[in-house]
Amino acid sequence: DVKVTQSSRYLVKRTGEKVFLECVQDMDHENMFWYRQDPGLGLRLIYFSYDVKMKEKGDIPEGYSVSREKKERFSLILESASTNQTSMYLCASSLRGGTGELFFGEGSRLTVL
Amino acid sequence: AQSVTQPDIHITVSEGASLELRCNYSYGATPYLFWYVQSPGQGLQLLLKYFSGDTLVQGIKGFEAEFKRSQSSFNLRKPSVHWSDAAEYFCAVGARGLTGGGNKLTFGTGTQLKVEL
Repeated sequence: DVKVTQSSRYLVKRTGEKVFLECVQDMDHENMFWYRQDPGLGLRLIYFSYDVKMKEKGDIPEGYSVSREKKERFSLILESASTNQTSMYLCASSLRGGTGELFFGEGSRLTVL
Repeated sequence: AQSVTQPDIHITVSEGASLELRCNYSYGATPYLFWYVQSPGQGLQLLLKYFSGDTLVQGIKGFEAEFKRSQSSFNLRKPSVHWSDAAEYFCAVGARGLTGGGNKLTFGTGTQLKVEL
């Protein structure tokens, strides 16, 4: 069964801490994405990557960075967490040149105190 | 750039009743269209997708959707709702003809479905 795995389902961090959210996919997909989900706002794209070491900003990249050192792994980094980054974070992957169909992980619920 | 509108934020139906969730998109050509479902605390699961051909597509869990080009719509339907269908539903659109990293999906803001027993 194909899978996107987010290493942490629930995290609680303090303001100013550095936070790493990890995502691994086993489908050999070229494209990987990080979304943020908030009530009433739907899914908003933070960053995506279409190849190893490549990254592009999405709609709300401020306060975030990403790392893609290996094809299967895509990390989201909050350099200095703030309370307004409390949210559900969803990782997804897709095939290059395909229809854009996304395969999602189960999400990481981050609370910043 | 494409956009998606889901005009209903919340919908409540009785178990056994029929369901229709609305989705309207804006795109200059025929897009790729998707419906995803999200159970509480979970990621998104693909229900169905439209790429080309028959405009009525069947998905998992008894759902279907119809692509209507003239109305720029892709409404999701189910003839008889089960209590386990209570979840949030997202419509998404993808552009055609893009390669590499260009093909990103645009999501609607979601419709929360409540099922009354």
